[in-house]
Amino acid sequence: GNSVTQMEGPVTLSEEAFLTINCTYTATGYPSLFWYVQYPGEGLQLLLKATKADDKGSNKGFEATYRKETTSFHLEKGSVQVSDSAVYFCALYSNTGNQFYFGTGTSLTVIP
Amino acid sequence: EAEVAQSPRYKITEKSQAVAFWCDPISGHATLYWYRQILGQGPELLVQFQDESVVDDSQLPKDRFSAERLKGVDSTLKIQPAELGDSAMYLCASTLLVTGSYNEQFFGPGTRLTVL
Repeated sequence: GNSVTQMEGPVTLSEEAFLTINCTYTATGYPSLFWYVQYPGEGLQLLLKATKADDKGSNKGFEATYRKETTSFHLEKGSVQVSDSAVYFCALYSNTGNQFYFGTGTSLTVIP
Repeated sequence: EAEVAQSPRYKITEKSQAVAFWCDPISGHATLYWYRQILGQGPELLVQFQDESVVDDSQLPKDRFSAERLKGVDSTLKIQPAELGDSAMYLCASTLLVTGSYNEQFFGPGTRLTVL
């Protein structure tokens, strides 16, 4: 079956620190992989995506590389800002059934 | 920019009452999803529509939840009667179905339900 496992939080970092949030997946076939971000009281927003192995998704300084050999899609940012404080969800899309599967989310708090 | 619309944004109700949530997906999006997101967890699929047809409702508690998308556009999710454990964020999302390809999923702002 399809599933996503991501690093549990909460994560607290100082501004300008390096961020890594781990995500691994189990999937049949060839899924697409995503990171979504959710700010308090809001819905999920797509942060970045990768649709095939070795693709690197990037946006707003965040990056993640689709690693088929390790079934991973870890999120990284070199220098976090207070405005990056949010909950981050790793997800996969399976075109078998046209469905998305989400991790449990990792809460990030960046302190000045 | 086109967005998924949901209403209401917040709903407080007493247990055993009926509640209904509305979602209007992005125009032209054939696939519509309702998710439930319990605080501190990821979204869990409740029901998936393809146009007006239900594709997957295996996780929908059918004794109290119902969903419809009569004309294949907007959708309503109903809970009757509401229970304390239904307190959660209800998210609607839509995608433009492209067979065999990746489909970006767009989320609405959600409806925060509190059952007292």
